[in-house]
Amino acid sequence: GNSVTQMEGPVTLSEEAFLTINCTYTATGYPSLFWYVQYPGEGLQLLLKATKADDKGSNKGFEATYRKETTSFHLEKGSVQVSDSAVYFCALSPYSSASKIIFGSGTRLSIRP
Amino acid sequence: NAGVTQTPKFRVLKTGQSMTLLCAQDMNHEYMYWYRQDPGMGLRLIHYSVGEGTTAKGEVPDGYNVSRLKKQNFLLGLESAAPSQTSVYFCASSYSEGLNTEAFFGQGTRLTVV
Repeated sequence: GNSVTQMEGPVTLSEEAFLTINCTYTATGYPSLFWYVQYPGEGLQLLLKATKADDKGSNKGFEATYRKETTSFHLEKGSVQVSDSAVYFCALSPYSSASKIIFGSGTRLSIRP
Repeated sequence: NAGVTQTPKFRVLKTGQSMTLLCAQDMNHEYMYWYRQDPGMGLRLIHYSVGEGTTAKGEVPDGYNVSRLKKQNFLLGLESAAPSQTSVYFCASSYSEGLNTEAFFGQGTRLTVV
């Protein structure tokens, strides 16, 4: 079946550090891949997405590349800020039905000044 | 610009009590979903709807019922609450299904069953 595995947190970094949050997936066909972010006390919001192999999604300095050969969609940012502290969810949407978006377990990121 | 609104935001129930969570969206979306979020388990789909008057079971539907009488509203009911239903519940909506569909989420309802 379809599944998403992301690195466990919490992840704590200093401001301006480089960030990588790993995400790998299992899926049949060609899913779309997403990163959602959840700020404290809020719901999830879409951070970036990619719909086919080798696509790079980017937003707010974050990037992730759809790697079909390694079934990965790792989230990266070159220089994190305190305001990036949040929980990050990797997700996939199977080709056949977007109503069954599958989420990873989330990675809590804390950035210290 | 309200987006997706959930009520209530917090609730404490006693075991066996019933309640209804309301989700309203003002984006004319066809699809609506209810998820629960538990520590270390990500988001799990409870029920979803692909249009007014339709509902379908998700990954963890037991103990919950839903209704979609109006396109803009999606109700989640607990007929007899259990401590295992203590969780944060999120409603989401999307325009359609498809590869580029983005889901919009409400701010969540924190439910505690004692």
